[in-house]
Amino acid sequence: QVQLQESGPGLVKPSETLSLTCTVSGVSISYSYWSWIRQPPGKGLEWIGFVYYSGNTNHKYNPSLENRVNISVDTSKKQFSLRLTSVSAADTAVYYCARGRKGVATITSYYYMDVWGKGTTVTVSS
Amino acid sequence: SYDLTQSPSVSVSPGQTASITCSGDELGDKYVCWYQQRPGQSPVVVIYQDNKRPSGIPERFSGSNSGNTATLTISGTQAMDEADYYCQAWDGITAVFGGGTKLTVL
Repeated sequence: QVQLQESGPGLVKPSETLSLTCTVSGVSISYSYWSWIRQPPGKGLEWIGFVYYSGNTNHKYNPSLENRVNISVDTSKKQFSLRLTSVSAADTAVYYCARGRKGVATITSYYYMDVWGKGTTVTVSS
Repeated sequence: SYDLTQSPSVSVSPGQTASITCSGDELGDKYVCWYQQRPGQSPVVVIYQDNKRPSGIPERFSGSNSGNTATLTISGTQAMDEADYYCQAWDGITAVFGGGTKLTVL
């Protein structure tokens, strides 16, 4: 049974770097897509990006966050991590990690997230 | 950037059919999935690749996608189906979410 657990500071100061880790259990961290998604209070979901490890590491990021975000993977610890720099109050949200499923079917490519962590709340405030 | 639009809210009586729509430019040319998010919980995928149900999702959940509109249909809606529902598509570069629809079962 695949399980994901987010961890990291619940409070980050403005202009500093938000760092979160997701620990994966029940499945290999290789050859899967590992995503971060966030949800500001009372608002909808926003995809941050994913990392894919297969010996090499590949990423896709939301263009709106691309210049501030990095997602990395540590295969020895079965973890993947999010770093978001220069945070502001607008980055206050529940942050989820999730496993993504990506492939090509009849008409085009698809991507969806089939296993999610419980989420962790991050508040940006001085 | 690619945008997906959902109605903010839908109401349905227990036992009736609920339809939640998601619209986007030529959305029928992309694959859509749907997530259910109950209050205080993480999202759960209920439909992927337009109309496939993951293991454990009740048969009353179904999906379709054509033209500019994808639809999540819940037949015989139950009180436990009251939740926020989000559509999501992959535009080749990013995963894009709709704004979400709050389904009320009254």
